[in-house]
Amino acid sequence: QQKVQQSPESLIVPEGGMASLNCTSSDRNVDYFWWYRQHSGKSPKMLMSIFSNGEKEEGRFTVHLNKASLHTSLHIRDSQPSDSALYLCAASRTGGYKVVFGSGTRLLVSP
Amino acid sequence: NAGVIQTPRHKVTGKGQEATLWCEPISGHSAVFWYRQTIVQGLEFLTYFRNQAPIDDSGMPKERFSAQMPNQSHSTLKIQSTQPQDSAVYLCASSLGANTGQLYFGEGSKLTVL
Repeated sequence: QQKVQQSPESLIVPEGGMASLNCTSSDRNVDYFWWYRQHSGKSPKMLMSIFSNGEKEEGRFTVHLNKASLHTSLHIRDSQPSDSALYLCAASRTGGYKVVFGSGTRLLVSP
Repeated sequence: NAGVIQTPRHKVTGKGQEATLWCEPISGHSAVFWYRQTIVQGLEFLTYFRNQAPIDDSGMPKERFSAQMPNQSHSTLKIQSTQPQDSAVYLCASSLGANTGQLYFGEGSKLTVL
């Protein structure tokens, strides 16, 4: 059964610091990865997607993907208290397969 | 664009009762997903439809859970004989296509089984 593993489970970073989150899929046929952010009491919202090997940057957020190891990472620089949330990694195969989520990394940015 | 609409937002049932949750996906989206979220298990996949057809229900507890999508604007998740362990937030999401990535989630239906 396809699994998505995320680490660490929780992370505390100071305001202005760098947060690094990791995600690995156990399914060798996975082609697509996404990162979602879920603030407390809200529903998940997509933050970034990455489908090709390499790096993608959007503002303070950078995502990396290594398809050979099925590993993706999300890096948040200059972290803000508003970045405090549950970060969920999701993965899927080509061909209309289900989207599977990891259990998340809970990030707390301390002022 | 109203987003994905889920009703009810909160439902409390007694053990053994039935619960039905509704989802209206974003107009024009062809894929609809149901997930269940708890603190312990995280966000668990239940089932998904594409163009109203059931594609994958591998996450559904077989005996008491069922999902339908009778038309493109409406999906339901029914839980018969609810048990306390069914207590969770049930999230519906839709997307333009199964692999075009971005899932748009509703605000969820919080089910509490006493």
